[in-house]
Amino acid sequence: DTGVSQDPRHKITKRGQNVTFRCDPISEHNRLYWYRQTLGQGPEFLTYFQNEAQLEKSRLLSDRFSAERPKGSFSTLEIQRTEQGDSAMYLCASSLRGKADTQYFGPGTRLTVL
Amino acid sequence: DQQVKQNSPSLSVQEGRISILNCDYTNSMFDYFLWYKKYPAEGPTFLISISSIKDKNEDGRFTVFLNKSAKHLSLHIVPSQPGDSAVYFCAASLFGGTSYGKLTFGQGTILTVHP
Repeated sequence: DTGVSQDPRHKITKRGQNVTFRCDPISEHNRLYWYRQTLGQGPEFLTYFQNEAQLEKSRLLSDRFSAERPKGSFSTLEIQRTEQGDSAMYLCASSLRGKADTQYFGPGTRLTVL
Repeated sequence: DQQVKQNSPSLSVQEGRISILNCDYTNSMFDYFLWYKKYPAEGPTFLISISSIKDKNEDGRFTVFLNKSAKHLSLHIVPSQPGDSAVYFCAASLFGGTSYGKLTFGQGTILTVHP
């Protein structure tokens, strides 16, 4: 399977704990995006990487959130001191720069904060 | 500020008939539009896209129409099949400047195709 993969698929944590999610994009894609989706809503943009550079962050991404893409390949999204409002589906997408930006999504990580 | 809106939360269609899903947007700078299908507990799956320089794009049973003057796009599925039952999201993208092509999604429409 050469699609976007995410790990873990599900994460249950207690309020105040830190969590980290991983995304592996399609191998030749140099653009990587993180989105968050809550029940009944469409995905909302969180942040974007061009290779290893983080070029844009949404105001939704509070100081408790940090994302990295150290070698321009996989990316991690960390949430510190989780809150119940962080419960959501976290989606990763990748695309290839140079053409109209069709983004391909991974299966997502479902986070539940108790 | 909901820049992309799908005003119909749900749509029910008989198998074999046409499904028409609608989407409106407010930002006239959007220049690329996409439709995604999503099953429960899965990520969105890309269906079809259209550039703002076109008014129609077809791919098999799926056709997307774009009316720039009305800031409206629609997805036609014909004939509809039970396997098409899913949540459909329209999304819009803006290139140039610092937008980096991030997607702005509508709220989704639940399509149910009855056998």
